[in-house]
Amino acid sequence: AQSVTQLDSQVPVFEEAPVELRCNYSSSVSVYLFWYVQYPNQGLQLLLKYLSGSTLVKGINGFEAEFNKSQTSFHLRKPSVHISDTAEYFCAVSGNTGGFKTIFGAGTRLFVKA
Amino acid sequence: DTGVSQDPRHKITKRGQNVTFRCDPISEHNRLYWYRQTLGQGPEFLTYFQNEAQLEKSRLLSDRFSAERPKGSFSTLEIQRTEQGDSAMYLCASSLSREVQETQYFGPGTRLLVL
Repeated sequence: AQSVTQLDSQVPVFEEAPVELRCNYSSSVSVYLFWYVQYPNQGLQLLLKYLSGSTLVKGINGFEAEFNKSQTSFHLRKPSVHISDTAEYFCAVSGNTGGFKTIFGAGTRLFVKA
Repeated sequence: DTGVSQDPRHKITKRGQNVTFRCDPISEHNRLYWYRQTLGQGPEFLTYFQNEAQLEKSRLLSDRFSAERPKGSFSTLEIQRTEQGDSAMYLCASSLSREVQETQYFGPGTRLLVL
């Protein structure tokens, strides 16, 4: 079975400051990892995904994430946030053994203050 | 707009009534997923179709829930005898199985409120 834990339910940060949203996962099989963003009253949009290869993954809107197998983590980072980054961020995992079911974390609300 | 669409966007119903939601996936996508999202939580997997075949159902999906994808295109999710606990956002996503671990593209969701 797979599970995802997002370690922070809310992260307040000032505009232009760096931010890290933390995600840990557990799985008995190799996994694919994802970060999605959800703006108010909208569906989820894929920010980035890790399938294999380089552990540093770059996504849209200046976000990046690093896969750490030994620590079973996939933390999301951005060096300088904007007000428009205020949203809910979800970490997700799915198995790579032909599985398609995606397990989501509970989400982290990023609140960027002026 | 060639994204995933869902209809209606909002639904208010009384307990005990039946409701049906529709999802139109991206046209060439052969996989379609339904998720439920409650306030403060991430989406929870409900069920999944490959073409018209329903291949997996979550234990979360009680007998009051049924989903169909009759022609492998759009899908419907019906909830019979709604309960207040069914109040949630119902999300649909679609993907193309030819991709390596295909990306799921999500619709805007249908927000259900059961009074």
